[in-house]
Amino acid sequence: GAVVSQHPSRVICKSGTSVKIECRSLDFQATTMFWYRQFPKQSLMLMATSNEGSKATYEQGVEKDKFLINHASLTLSTLTVTSAHPEDSSFYICSATSQGITYEQYFGPGTRLTVT
Amino acid sequence: LAKTTQPISMDSYEGQEVNITCSHNNIATNDYITWYQQFPSQGPRFIIQGYKTKVTNEVASLFIPADRKSSTLSLPRVSLSDTAVYYCLVGPDKLIFGTGTRLQVFP
Repeated sequence: GAVVSQHPSRVICKSGTSVKIECRSLDFQATTMFWYRQFPKQSLMLMATSNEGSKATYEQGVEKDKFLINHASLTLSTLTVTSAHPEDSSFYICSATSQGITYEQYFGPGTRLTVT
Repeated sequence: LAKTTQPISMDSYEGQEVNITCSHNNIATNDYITWYQQFPSQGPRFIIQGYKTKVTNEVASLFIPADRKSSTLSLPRVSLSDTAVYYCLVGPDKLIFGTGTRLQVFP
């Protein structure tokens, strides 16, 4: 099946700094990528949808200036958490889709962000 | 976007068949139904997808009635390693995750 990778798998950063998370589709071209965050014992919450070459569409309540998303190619999307605060500590997961006959999303393994 | 409702949790024993039902009353004509499995600190893993009737693969079956307002994921002969959270989602692309069903399999 299609593989999506994320890097890094876990990161610790100091409050006020920025951190970038990469999401790559390894063996297919992703027309659309999605970013989710998940707090412990909770479900995934969709943050934004990005299409290659265009601006990301953010869900209500997600600050686009804080969570910068770039989808520069059909295999790479990045999420940058700017001026991170401890409350941004979470599990960030990306997914990618290449629409065809079915609409299957392939999820990355997730990135654990801890802001100290 | 279609909202889904699932039981919060289910318990089972090894070797039993587990059926998890999901309701999606306002499913749209172009929506597919997809089920994912998630283990702690991992991304969701695709289990099965269907549009109508019955779909079966090597790990599960998906039953969808004619009105498509619900679906049932069937896991045959579960093992301890099937302990996870199972999510039912509908949509053509953007997926909104509900609460999921936390399945606990006991020996």
